Amino acid sequence: DVKVTQSSRYLVKRTGEKVFLECVQDMDHENMFWYRQDPGLGLRLIYFSYDVKMKEKGDIPEGYSVSREKKERFSLILESASTNQTSMYLCASSFHRQGRGYTFGSGTRLTVV
Amino acid sequence: LAKTTQPISMDSYEGQEVNITCSHNNIATNDYITWYQQFPSQGPRFIIQGYKTKVTNEVASLFIPADRKSSTLSLPRVSLSDTAVYYCLVPPGDSSYKLIFGSGTRLLVRP
Repeated sequence: DVKVTQSSRYLVKRTGEKVFLECVQDMDHENMFWYRQDPGLGLRLIYFSYDVKMKEKGDIPEGYSVSREKKERFSLILESASTNQTSMYLCASSFHRQGRGYTFGSGTRLTVV
Repeated sequence: LAKTTQPISMDSYEGQEVNITCSHNNIATNDYITWYQQFPSQGPRFIIQGYKTKVTNEVASLFIPADRKSSTLSLPRVSLSDTAVYYCLVPPGDSSYKLIFGSGTRLLVRP
């Protein structure tokens, strides 16, 4: 069964900490994505990557960076965590451009205190 | 950029057919319409995709009129476990690989 695995289900971090969220996919997909989901706001795209070492900003990249050193791994980095980054973070990967076959991870619920 | 509009919420009862309509007036000629389902505390899950007319799988049907400016997801005989948020998506039209999610439709199925 194909999978997108996010390293942590729940995380609690302190304001100002550097936070790493890891995502690994086993489907050899070119494209990987990081979204955050907040009540009433739906899923918002933070960053995406269509190839190793390539990255593109999504709609809300401020306060985040990403790393894609290997095809299967896409990391989201919160340089200095703030309370407004408390959210559910979802990683996804895909092969097709058309939206079919996006596979999402189970999410990481991050709380910044 | 292509954008979708769908109802914020819908209520239904077990055993009924549910139709959720999405409008996408600016869909590009070659782009497909895709629907995802999301349960609480889980990532979205692909349900169905179509380009025109009708597509059916074991979960749902998707109806797309000739002008392709809207589409309707049809869930036959819903059960309580179909309570979820349903997202209609089209590519943004800028040749990128990203998907933009709207707010989705929150479907509540009552006993």
